[in-house]
Amino acid sequence: QKEVEQNSGPLSVPEGAIASLNCTYSDRGSQSFFWYRQYSGKSPELIMSIYSNGDKEDGRFTAQLNKASQYVSLLIRDSQPSDSATYLCAVNGQGGSEKLVFGKGTKLTVNP
Amino acid sequence: DAGITQSPRHKVTETGTPVTLRCHQTENHRYMYWYRQDPGHGLRLIHYSYGVKDTDKGEVSDGYSVSRSKTEDFLLTLESATSSQTSVYFCAIGGSGKAEAFFGQGTRLTVV
Repeated sequence: QKEVEQNSGPLSVPEGAIASLNCTYSDRGSQSFFWYRQYSGKSPELIMSIYSNGDKEDGRFTAQLNKASQYVSLLIRDSQPSDSATYLCAVNGQGGSEKLVFGKGTKLTVNP
Repeated sequence: DAGITQSPRHKVTETGTPVTLRCHQTENHRYMYWYRQDPGHGLRLIHYSYGVKDTDKGEVSDGYSVSRSKTEDFLLTLESATSSQTSVYFCAIGGSGKAEAFFGQGTRLTVV
């Protein structure tokens, strides 16, 4: 089992809709969870970090963490065409190490 | 880009030749990472470093070596390049514990 799993997509939503991106991880000892956005041909950029169970909101983005279910998600409200990108889930602390491990990413397309 | 510079940005090399990629940071982060990104595989960890002369392997370390003689520099060497090592290589800094990781601009390596 891969350490960090994401739905590969692609995910397509209309402009103004809520986009929901999901991620599961294998190690209950994981400490930190991150969402990155990557535009085609560019490097990943951090958009959200979350460390404790519950929701964390930042503008149109909400990250949700459920450690019991080993699940982390990202909601994008009022999706815009500029949100079209690949979203990468990253987890740190698996196996007691400081390795930062990424999922394969989910490609999101927001249609005008 | 959070004070991270990768060099070169693009390189074409022949099979069997050694190649060294450099990552330079000005942020004094203890942790540095090398990833490769390929279609369908996402970001895969090659090696990471948790201090000067302290390094550890990631999930795809075969065929790669690293060195870190100074806090600011993390070198990735392909001892004898193969076509399977054609990829985009990203360096990242930070990312330990709750620290967020930031990426360099990437190096596109083509092995012919």
